Amino acid sequence: AQSVTQLGSHVSVSEGALVLLRCNYSSSVPPYLFWYVQYPNQGLQLLLKYTTGATLVKGINGFEAEFKKSETSFHLTKPSAHMSDAAEYFCAVSDRGGSNTGKLIFGQGTTLQVKP
Amino acid sequence: GAGVSQTPSNKVTEKGKYVELRCDPISGHTALYWYRQSLGQGPEFLIYFQGTGAADDSGLPNDRFFAVRPEGSVSTLKIQRTERGDSAVYLCATALAGPADTQYFGPGTRLTVL
Repeated sequence: AQSVTQLGSHVSVSEGALVLLRCNYSSSVPPYLFWYVQYPNQGLQLLLKYTTGATLVKGINGFEAEFKKSETSFHLTKPSAHMSDAAEYFCAVSDRGGSNTGKLIFGQGTTLQVKP
Repeated sequence: GAGVSQTPSNKVTEKGKYVELRCDPISGHTALYWYRQSLGQGPEFLIYFQGTGAADDSGLPNDRFFAVRPEGSVSTLKIQRTERGDSAVYLCATALAGPADTQYFGPGTRLTVL
């Protein structure tokens, strides 16, 4: 069965510092990979996704993530944190293949705090 | 354009009662998903509709939970004999056609069972 592990339930960075949120997955076949962000009292919003092709994926708001098959990882980064990046971030996977229904398996989430 | 909407935004009920949660998808989206998010956790998959039919209901926790989508648009998640453990945020997401398409999430319904 697939699973997703996000290392660190809380991450705190200073404004302008590098953001690194870690995600590892467990799957017999490399899945589709996603990062979602959830702002307080709002719905989940897609930041970026990897399905095929270039392993470095660029998303919205200056975020990017790199798929590393050998490490079964899909870590999220942003070179310079902004106060508005403070939110909950979720890594998710879904199956490839003909039987894929698109259901997302989510990690536990990481709360990003940005200090002035 | 309008996004996914869910009503009510908050629902408080008593143990043992029946509740219905509604999801209005983005117009034209044929794929619809329900997830449940407990406090401090990531969302967990409940059920997937393609059109009117439930293509995957493997995430429904037990037979107290049921969902319908009779006309392939609006969906209703129904919970019978609610229990305190059902308290969570119920999220609906829709996608244009199917599994390869991006899922767009609604704001959720916060269910509290007293």
